[in-house]
Amino acid sequence: EVQLVESGGGLVQPGGSLRLSCAASGFTFSSYSMNWVRQAPGKGLEWVSYISSSSSTIYYADSVKGRFTISRDNAKNSLYLQMNSLRDEDTAVYYCARVGVGASPIDYWGQGTLVTVSS
Amino acid sequence: AIRMTQSPSSFSASTGDRVTITCRASQGISSYLAWYQQKPGKAPKLLIYAASTLQSGVPSRFSGSGSGTDFTLTISCLQSEDFATYYCQQYYSYPLFTFGPGTKVDIK
Repeated sequence: EVQLVESGGGLVQPGGSLRLSCAASGFTFSSYSMNWVRQAPGKGLEWVSYISSSSSTIYYADSVKGRFTISRDNAKNSLYLQMNSLRDEDTAVYYCARVGVGASPIDYWGQGTLVTVSS
Repeated sequence: AIRMTQSPSSFSASTGDRVTITCRASQGISSYLAWYQQKPGKAPKLLIYAASTLQSGVPSRFSGSGSGTDFTLTISCLQSEDFATYYCQQYYSYPLFTFGPGTKVDIK
């Protein structure tokens, strides 16, 4: 069974930093591209970042470019999101999400971790 | 960037109803369209990909159609567990995914 478990969320002041982690199990992590997707309270889904299976290709949404860094450790079956210079509008539940093989949509999601940016 | 719209944004329906949700892309996306269901406090769940292919384990009362810019999700006979918010997602510009704003289906 595919499992994605996020951790690292919490309350942080504007301008602060936070590092999210996602532990993957139930599939060959090193073979799949991964994403972070967020959802502000009461709002819709917003794609944040993508990383290919080998980390050779990385993309960011314009809203986080230059502030967030996605990375992965295939030996540890883990995905990360380093978030710097956090703003109020970054407050959201952050989901770790797997992409299917090839040019596919997201097929599995974690349960999410809440990040609250507030003074 | 490809923009996605959905209609309606919300509506009320009764168990047993046939319901249809529409998704429109700002440019042609062929059949690179997925549908997700999200219940309160839970992660989204993939229902349909490639516009009309049912994900494994999803009940057959769900169906999708369309290509190009206009797509629909149909629930043939609404069940109590189907009251949720539904999102479309384009992956034509993979991996720069964009989602529709969502359609909330609640109980009449």
